[in-house]
Amino acid sequence: EAGVAQSPRYKIIEKRQSVAFWCNPISGHATLYWYQQILGQGPKLLIQFQNNGVVDDSQLPKDRFSAERLKGVDSTLKIQPAKLEDSAVYLCASTTIGTGNLNEQFFGPGTRLTVL
Amino acid sequence: QKEVEQDPGPLSVPEGAIVSLNCTYSNSAFQYFMWYRQYSRKGPELLMYTYSSGNKEDGRFTAQVDKSSKYISLFIRDSQPSDSATYLCAMRDSGTYKYIFGTGTRLKVLA
Repeated sequence: EAGVAQSPRYKIIEKRQSVAFWCNPISGHATLYWYQQILGQGPKLLIQFQNNGVVDDSQLPKDRFSAERLKGVDSTLKIQPAKLEDSAVYLCASTTIGTGNLNEQFFGPGTRLTVL
Repeated sequence: QKEVEQDPGPLSVPEGAIVSLNCTYSNSAFQYFMWYRQYSRKGPELLMYTYSSGNKEDGRFTAQVDKSSKYISLFIRDSQPSDSATYLCAMRDSGTYKYIFGTGTRLKVLA
């Protein structure tokens, strides 16, 4: 079974530029998450999709971040304009949905963003 | 107060030592308690999880949950250099699929 795919793996941009990240979840996984992981910290949820609908985007800085999940499969996360404090690893994860069990989250390798 | 608190370490131990990693939490609705391992420049991977209270053992790893104290632990016996990684605790209630992570504890096992 293929894992969660993310691209690019690394990105360096200057502040005020825009950047986009792409995620392809595990086939059949209805729920998709984007997390921001700043160095030395745990992952912080930015947005959670179930199929192509947003379940939780309460911690997404909507003035500069946007995300979409067209057709309930792939997803893109965009930052425009980027700030220095956006330097972090952006992780994508996916799960199935159901009742009575954990529904394990599977993570991609992440995209490491450096904003200069 | 953060929902989940975890000592960031770093923690250095000699090979063969018993390692204890801990998290505290404030949300009594949490039902799933997870431990993830994250190697450098990789995404987290699930190590083990516990539903509600109690203990769970898997090889050299034991997870404990004490809901009365809102405290969870991960024990690693006979630690190996390959266990060197960041260990993240995470929690979730049963009604949503929202995971809350601790800051992670960086562990180094010295050969």
